Amino acid sequence: NAGVTQTPKFQVLKTGQSMTLQCAQDMNHNSMYWYRQDPGMGLRLIYYSASEGTTDKGEVPNGYNVSRLNKREFSLRLESAAPSQTSVYFCASSLGQGGNTEAFFGQGTRLTVV
Amino acid sequence: GENVEQHPSTLSVQEGDSAVIKCTYSDSASNYFPWYKQELGKGPQLIIDIRSNVGEKKDQRIAVTLNKTAKHFSLHITETQPEDSAVYFCAASYSGSARQLTFGSGTQLTVLP
Repeated sequence: NAGVTQTPKFQVLKTGQSMTLQCAQDMNHNSMYWYRQDPGMGLRLIYYSASEGTTDKGEVPNGYNVSRLNKREFSLRLESAAPSQTSVYFCASSLGQGGNTEAFFGQGTRLTVV
Repeated sequence: GENVEQHPSTLSVQEGDSAVIKCTYSDSASNYFPWYKQELGKGPQLIIDIRSNVGEKKDQRIAVTLNKTAKHFSLHITETQPEDSAVYFCAASYSGSARQLTFGSGTQLTVLP
């Protein structure tokens, strides 16, 4: 049982390049999330998907797009990377009962934009 | 929206001593308060949570207290051990939202041998 799997673990991009971060969960969870983690700022929600077929903006959505491909997979795309997007990105999933259930996190993707 | 403040940002304790981390939240509708532990190079992992109908919850050396009136909650770790060294995050959410959790900014706990 792998839980939440993110790929890649590390990535270096040049300004203006694009890339997609992949996330998959095998717990049959309904809800999935993308967070970014910056020093001293905790985890900030980028986008979330309450259920298959729906996506919504979180606190810091600018510069990102997401796709809920199916119940298992939720990808995050940077169309034109900027240095301000240098961060550690975490995907998470939960059973999805209005926010009152445990969120399980992936191992993270450390992204550097130069 | 919800705002969660967490203090202190860093905390050093001697092995065997207790550690306390405090959080305040702004939205009185919040009713779920988890605590996550993040070890170096890993994702956050839930260690304990509390719901608004409970004032205190314990799990071995870890306890969480909630004061709904003052809108603050705290994590207490007793008999600290070196493996407790990590970053701890508090969070809050309410049942009416699918947005999940609003996190505090984190506390780096170091347990000194």
